[in-house]
Amino acid sequence: DTGVSQDPRHKITKRGQNVTFRCDPISEHNRLYWYRQTLGQGPEFLTYFQNEAQLEKSRLLSDRFSAERPKGSFSTLEIQRTEQGDSAMYLCASSPRGGAPHGAFFGQGTRLTVV
Amino acid sequence: AQKVTQAQTEISVVEKEDVTLDCVYETRDTTYYLFWYKQPPSGELVFLIRRNSFDEQNEISGRYSWNFQKSTSSFNFTITASQVVDSAVYFCARIQGAQKLVFGQGTRLTINP
Repeated sequence: DTGVSQDPRHKITKRGQNVTFRCDPISEHNRLYWYRQTLGQGPEFLTYFQNEAQLEKSRLLSDRFSAERPKGSFSTLEIQRTEQGDSAMYLCASSPRGGAPHGAFFGQGTRLTVV
Repeated sequence: AQKVTQAQTEISVVEKEDVTLDCVYETRDTTYYLFWYKQPPSGELVFLIRRNSFDEQNEISGRYSWNFQKSTSSFNFTITASQVVDSAVYFCARIQGAQKLVFGQGTRLTINP
């Protein structure tokens, strides 16, 4: 499978715990994006990387959220001290050189439930 | 904020009917890109089409067609002879800034057998 891969697909965690999600982009894509989608809404932009550099972060990305993309390949999104409001689908996407105007291709997402 | 509006929250039709999903966007840019995505129950967003603002030609791909009208800031999506497998949530989106996709709220389409 050469698409965007996300792991895990589902995560249930207790409030206050830390969670980490992983995204493996399409191999030749140098841009990687994280989005969050709550029930009944469209995805909302969180952050994006060009290679290993994090170039933009949304105001939605509070201090409890951190994203990394070491070596410009896979990326991780960590949420510290989770809150019930963090429950959502977290979607990763990647784009070829030239970026989102050339198309952003999404993974299947990680559904987070904070109890 | 320059919004993308999908006024139809839910549409339900019987199989083989044609159905049009509406999308209206706001932009101050002269060059911009618009997209449609399909999100089946599995959750993955499936890319359907990209359109740039210079190209106002309508596009057809099998049973799918798209009508882009700059004059009304609309980018509507029509499915001809709908099938049960077309049931999904459909999102319209545009690029904001250089890289950020701004999505509409989506239209849940249900095709009944």
